[in-house]
Amino acid sequence: AQSVSQHNHHVILSEAASLELGCNYSYGGTVNLFWYVQYPGQHLQLLLKYFSGDPLVKGIKGFEAEFIKSKFSFNLRKPSVQWSDTAEYFCAVTYSGSARQLTFGSGTQLTVLP
Amino acid sequence: DAGITQSPRHKVTETGTPVTLRCHQTENHRYMYWYRQDPGHGLRLIHYSYGVKDTDKGEVSDGYSVSRSKTEDFLLTLESATSSQTSVYFCAISWGVGSNTGELFFGEGSRLTVL
Repeated sequence: AQSVSQHNHHVILSEAASLELGCNYSYGGTVNLFWYVQYPGQHLQLLLKYFSGDPLVKGIKGFEAEFIKSKFSFNLRKPSVQWSDTAEYFCAVTYSGSARQLTFGSGTQLTVLP
Repeated sequence: DAGITQSPRHKVTETGTPVTLRCHQTENHRYMYWYRQDPGHGLRLIHYSYGVKDTDKGEVSDGYSVSRSKTEDFLLTLESATSSQTSVYFCAISWGVGSNTGELFFGEGSRLTVL
């Protein structure tokens, strides 16, 4: 079965540090890729998405992600994190064979220390 | 907001009792989904619907049933709740009418505790 892996379960950073969260998927065909964020006590919100075209995708709040097809990766980055970025981050993928379903990774909890 | 309302938002029940969670949308979107969120597992798809009376199973459908008699409502039923179904349940809708883009908008969640 197709899967999404987020290897960092909990990341702790100080404010102004740079962030990179890993995401790898297992399917070699056509995919659509997403990052969602869940702030404490809230529902998931879309951070950014990749469907096609430029593999470097820019999202809200200064986040970006790069699709590297050869590595089956879609890592999330931010050059300088803020305390307000403390949240759980989920990578998700839609596979061409099951385009109605969105498969999520297990999530990465980011804690930013002031 | 995407106009998604879940009810109840919190529920405590006992093992063996039936439970129904309701998701209501005001956006007239075709696709609706039920996910459960558990620590260490992220979100896992329970069931989804691609139209009135059209539903399909997701990754963790055992012990759950769904119904969609109207475009705006998608019901998730636990016929006989078990402690393993203690979780936070999220409803989602998709804007991608016919295109299956996968971009979802989520409701606020329903926290269910089964004692």
